[in-house]
Amino acid sequence: RKEVEQDPGPFNVPEGATVAFNCTYSNSASQSFFWYRQDCRKEPKLLMSVYSSGNEDGRFTAQLNRASQYISLLIRDSKLSDSATYLCVVNRDNYGQNFVFGPGTRLSVLP
Amino acid sequence: NAGVTQTPKFQVLKTGQSMTLQCAQDMNHNSMYWYRQDPGMGLRLIYYSASEGTTDKGEVPNGYNVSRLNKREFSLRLESAAPSQTSVYFCASSEAGGSQPQHFGDGTRLSIL
Repeated sequence: RKEVEQDPGPFNVPEGATVAFNCTYSNSASQSFFWYRQDCRKEPKLLMSVYSSGNEDGRFTAQLNRASQYISLLIRDSKLSDSATYLCVVNRDNYGQNFVFGPGTRLSVLP
Repeated sequence: NAGVTQTPKFQVLKTGQSMTLQCAQDMNHNSMYWYRQDPGMGLRLIYYSASEGTTDKGEVPNGYNVSRLNKREFSLRLESAAPSQTSVYFCASSEAGGSQPQHFGDGTRLSIL
């Protein structure tokens, strides 16, 4: 089993839809959590950090459930520009070398 | 507003050739990383440098060497390229500590024939 697993996708949704991605992690000692987006043939870019109490940034909401060891990302009112691959990233401890990247979930927002 | 800069962006090598991938960051970050990304897989850590003067192996270090030249620069060297090293390579940097997110360069697409 991979240490970080994500919905396999792809997700094809119409503009304006709400879409949710899930990510599970196996290491219960994991400390920090992030969502990155990666456009085709581009570098990963930080979308948002995920905090224990959950957090929101505009149309994006991230949740963390430590007991069940999963992280979610909700995108409301999808835009064409949201089309990308979304990477779940987990840090096993407080050391930078222990980031683990999920394989990503691809989202296509259709007109 | 450069952030993390990688060179070259593309490279084609023959098996057995050597080359160095360059990375520089202007954010005064202590930590720097080299990853490779292959289709269907998450990014995998090759080497990292927690601070100037230190380097350590990551998940997939075989066939690679690194140099942390100074706080800004972290290079990755392939001494004898193999087809299995065909990949997209990303350099990243971050403030010290795992709670800080990483910032990535725009990648080097490397093909080994």
